[in-house]
Amino acid sequence: KAGVTQTPRYLIKTRGQQVTLSCSPISGHRSVSWYQQTPGQGLQFLFEYFSETQRNKGNFPGRFSGRQFSNSRSEMNVSTLELGDSALYLCASSRTGETGELFFGEGSRLTVL
Amino acid sequence: DQQVKQNSPSLSVQEGRISILNCDYTNSMFDYFLWYKKYPAEGPTFLISISSIKDKNEDGRFTVFLNKSAKHLSLHIVPSQPGDSAVYFCAASDNNDMRFGAGTRLTVKP
Repeated sequence: KAGVTQTPRYLIKTRGQQVTLSCSPISGHRSVSWYQQTPGQGLQFLFEYFSETQRNKGNFPGRFSGRQFSNSRSEMNVSTLELGDSALYLCASSRTGETGELFFGEGSRLTVL
Repeated sequence: DQQVKQNSPSLSVQEGRISILNCDYTNSMFDYFLWYKKYPAEGPTFLISISSIKDKNEDGRFTVFLNKSAKHLSLHIVPSQPGDSAVYFCAASDNNDMRFGAGTRLTVKP
């Protein structure tokens, strides 16, 4: 079955702009989590959605937001981009979001100039 | 707030030898631990996991050890192969969310 799909794979923005990233989970998976990966910081948890509701949230400013649609697809938005937002943004899906294995997409690499 | 720490950013071993990757955590509520492997330009993929009720889990060349009193887990790869060269992330979960370490870059030299 198809894996987790993230779009776009690469994008370049300038400071102050906003960006929307998309994630399509594996069919049947209702939980979608978002992570930010930067060198030396590993994977930082952004938020997790389950059945269209944000269930958990990491320690990121309010500029980072997300949502999940009825078909479990999810989007995350970053407004007023800063240089430090340059990172690989990874989406992961799982059936329930409880303890267990996450299935990751290939990520969206954002560069902020 | 780094609840999961991988203090070695990199590790280099010779092919055929053992690779030992370490991970420490601070939250005693974590009850499930996982290792993920990541190749460049790909998302992390699940490698092996262990529940807090166990102290060892083995899957082929990969073994994860958990020392709850020390809040420490390790991943052993024996024998190491050049294809194991990747970044390894340790993760811990408490049923709410999953926290990851910063990763250790393993290089296995032929």
